[in-house]
Amino acid sequence: NAGVTQTPKFRILKIGQSMTLQCAQDMNHNYMYWYRQDPGMGLKLIYYSVGAGITDKGEVPNGYNVSRSTTEDFPLRLELAAPSQTSVYFCASNPGGTNYGYTFGSGTRLTVV
Amino acid sequence: ELKVEQNPLFLSMQEGKNYTIYCNYSTTSDRLYWYRQDPGKSLESLFVLLSNGAVKQEGRLMASLDTKARLSTLHITAAVHDLSATYFCAGPPGGGNKLVFGAGTILRVKS
Repeated sequence: NAGVTQTPKFRILKIGQSMTLQCAQDMNHNYMYWYRQDPGMGLKLIYYSVGAGITDKGEVPNGYNVSRSTTEDFPLRLELAAPSQTSVYFCASNPGGTNYGYTFGSGTRLTVV
Repeated sequence: ELKVEQNPLFLSMQEGKNYTIYCNYSTTSDRLYWYRQDPGKSLESLFVLLSNGAVKQEGRLMASLDTKARLSTLHITAAVHDLSATYFCAGPPGGGNKLVFGAGTILRVKS
């Protein structure tokens, strides 16, 4: 099992550009999440999904969009990139229920200049 | 809204010493999670604490949960350099599966 796979690992965007961060998991997990990590701030939830076709906003959704057309994939779309979106983005999944922690992807380091 | 506060935020300790990281949370929660992050790497699940009084141990790390005090602790016994990492606690706001993370505790173990 590959677990949770994120691409790309690094990206530099210019202000106003758009991009999609890819996330795929092969564990048949229903629940998937996008977090951003800023230095000294812990992780903030952007969006999450409880299954294919179902998504909901987290704590910091502005400037982002998601879709969940399959169980495996949960891409995060940045429209009109801004410097405030410079961060490390982590995708995570778990099977649901309380007994499990998250399985995290390796992260995408995004810089907006 | 659940707030999760960790202290200390930075901890430098000598090999062989013991120390405790504290995680306080603001609203009632019956479970708490601990994660480890190595520099430049992703997060790894360490402990899942599911009830009041829960205690989990792995190697030199032991985590506990007191839901009445809204407090979880991560105790380090006889620290070794390999434990150097950032440790996060996280709790579920209002139940469910999404988590709110603390700011993290950067642990540096000096030989």
